[in-house]
Amino acid sequence: NLLESGGGLVQPGGSLRLTCTGSGFLFSGYDMTWFRQAPGRGLEWVSTISNRGSDTDYADSVRGRFTISRDNSKNTLSLQMDSLRAEDTAIYYCAIRHRGSDRTFQWFDPWGQGTLVTVSS
Amino acid sequence: DIQMTQSPSSLSASVGDRVTISCRASQNIGRSLNWYQQRPGKAPKLLIYAAASLERGVPLTFSGRGSETNYTLTISSLRPEDFATYFCQQAYSAPYNFGQGTRLE
Repeated sequence: NLLESGGGLVQPGGSLRLTCTGSGFLFSGYDMTWFRQAPGRGLEWVSTISNRGSDTDYADSVRGRFTISRDNSKNTLSLQMDSLRAEDTAIYYCAIRHRGSDRTFQWFDPWGQGTLVTVSS
Repeated sequence: DIQMTQSPSSLSASVGDRVTISCRASQNIGRSLNWYQQRPGKAPKLLIYAAASLERGVPLTFSGRGSETNYTLTISSLRPEDFATYFCQQAYSAPYNFGQGTRLE
């Protein structure tokens, strides 16, 4: 189970920190990912972090502004969002990344219920 | 970046119908293609991974196929709960882009 929190209304240029808490599985055994979906729009991959936190990757649209991290001792995944823009307004979802045995394929499941971030003055 | 083009954007169908949704990648993604279902107000749910592998618990009425740049999701007999929006996603390389979605109504 995944549960996101921390969303809310923030002014352009402001910061927000999202948290995703995992339960019912070995959190430290899985890479984790953030996705987002702007209202009425499609889905966008935001960032992924490896199971130990040593490797991270970001979409170009957020690189340098967002920071993904995790605390395996607390089963939590975080997304620190700085220099927020109106176009960052979206529902943010966390998800588990799975990989096939040969790591050729990867898929994302399950997803949390999402947390809404609104960037507006 | 790999771009995903999904069609149609909307599809009108009835319970019991067979429907097929298509997804085309801008380059060969070697069957690294996932399909998700999203109901209104809910998070996406994985249906198919690696182009043709059915996620556990997903009804056998769902199937996926394809290779290289062209992929399809087929629902062999629509049930009332299948009326939702469907997205394809390439998982070959970051950024893991999605198709624009197909609204089944």
